[in-house]
Amino acid sequence: GAGVSQSPSNKVTEKGKDVELRCDPISGHTALYWYRQSLGQGLEFLIYFQGNSAPDKSGLPSDRFSAERTGGSVSTLTIQRTQQEDSAVYLCASSRREWGLKTQYFGPGTRLLVL
Amino acid sequence: AQSVSQHNHHVILSEAASLELGCNYSYGGTVNLFWYVQYPGQHLQLLLKYFSGDPLVKGIKGFEAEFIKSKFSFNLRKPSVQWSDTAEYFCAVNGGSQGNLIFGKGTKLSVKP
Repeated sequence: GAGVSQSPSNKVTEKGKDVELRCDPISGHTALYWYRQSLGQGLEFLIYFQGNSAPDKSGLPSDRFSAERTGGSVSTLTIQRTQQEDSAVYLCASSRREWGLKTQYFGPGTRLLVL
Repeated sequence: AQSVSQHNHHVILSEAASLELGCNYSYGGTVNLFWYVQYPGQHLQLLLKYFSGDPLVKGIKGFEAEFIKSKFSFNLRKPSVQWSDTAEYFCAVNGGSQGNLIFGKGTKLSVKP
């Protein structure tokens, strides 16, 4: 079946611009996660959506980062006033809710380069 | 706070050698444990997982891992590696009702043909 998809696959932007990254989770998965993968920092959790509950934003590095999930499916991660240190691969993952089935499946990522 | 330590940054092996990658975590309660693999140019894929039950878990491509609760460890093993196992391997954990995964820094495995 279809996996997690992300777009764009690559994004080059100038410092100070805003960017939007999109994630389409696996159909039927109620949980959606955003992570960031960068050299030296490894894989860092950003934000987590579970159903209609308030998102867990505890991993967002600054208030320039925000995310929303519309209709319980597609999610958009927005980075405002991008900085060079935001350059990284942004990964999205989704999972089911039930115990024992909460394995997270990852998308291919969006590689963001801030010049 | 939860954390995951992977002991080796880069491991170089010859084909047919045995592999063991170390993973230790810090969390006092019930945990779910995972190993993910990232082949060159590809996205993260699940190798194996442990939720409960038999602490020896078998995954894809001949990999296995053993959960040793007393040692807070979840080491990954493979008896005989192949060149195609060249990749980066990540150990991850989430505990209790926590949703997100905490990842180790990763171990890069290079297998020489």
